Amino acid sequence: QQQVKQSPQSLIVQKGGISIINCAYENTAFDYFPWYQQFPGKGPALLIAIRPDVSEKKEGRFTISFNKSAKQFSLHIMDSQPGDSATYFCAASPPMSFNKFYFGSGTKLNVKP
Amino acid sequence: DTEVTQTPKHLVMGMTNKKSLKCEQHMGHRAMYWYKQKAKKPPELMFVYSYEKLSINESVPSRFSPECPNSSLLNLHLHALQPEDSALYLCASSHQMAVSSGNTIYFGEGSWLTVV
Repeated sequence: QQQVKQSPQSLIVQKGGISIINCAYENTAFDYFPWYQQFPGKGPALLIAIRPDVSEKKEGRFTISFNKSAKQFSLHIMDSQPGDSATYFCAASPPMSFNKFYFGSGTKLNVKP
Repeated sequence: DTEVTQTPKHLVMGMTNKKSLKCEQHMGHRAMYWYKQKAKKPPELMFVYSYEKLSINESVPSRFSPECPNSSLLNLHLHALQPEDSALYLCASSHQMAVSSGNTIYFGEGSWLTVV
C-alpha cells in the first residue's frame, strides 16, 4: 500500500511559468512533510519542508501548500527556470520513526527555455 | 556540495565478489542511513543507525551487511549479490536524535552499483 501518492509523474513547464506537484497521504499520524529535489547523477537534496500546524510555507520561489483536512500537500515553483529541471519527491514521516520517510513516486520536471 | 561523502562513485562486481561501500560525514550527525534507489524510483530505506547502533533494518537480505565503525563512518558490505541489486546506493545522515521526525536528512551523491 502506497502511503504517499504523487502526481503528475512528469511535468513540462515553460520558463517563467508555475510548476505544481501534488501529493496525498493516508496516515493522519504523519507530522513532517519534506520535498526533495534530485538532479541526474546526484543524491536527493532537501528543498523545503512543512509541519501540519501551518497551511503554507514559502522559501524563495518554492511554496508548500498544506491541506490537513484533505490530507494533501503540494509544491508550487513560481517563475520556473530551466535550472529547476529535476525529479521532485514528496515525503512524509510519522513521529518517533527514526526519520523513516514514505516517499512519493516522484515527478520529473522539465522547464523549457 | 554535499557534506556526506561516498566512495566509490561507481562499482562493478561479480555475483561471487565481496566489496564494500563507504560513507563519511563530518557534520557531527549521530544518525546515518543507507538507501537503495532504482532508476526512476524513490529512495528505499535499508538501514538506520542511531548513535552507532542499528535501529532499523527494513528486512534487507543478509547479502547486505551494514557496519558503523564510529559516528562519522558507515559501511555497507556486499557479498553474493544478484543482478537485480544493481542500483544507486545512497548514504545519508541527520542531526542527533533520529527517533523524532523532522530532522533534515542530508544525502550523499551515491554509489552506482552494477552486479554482473
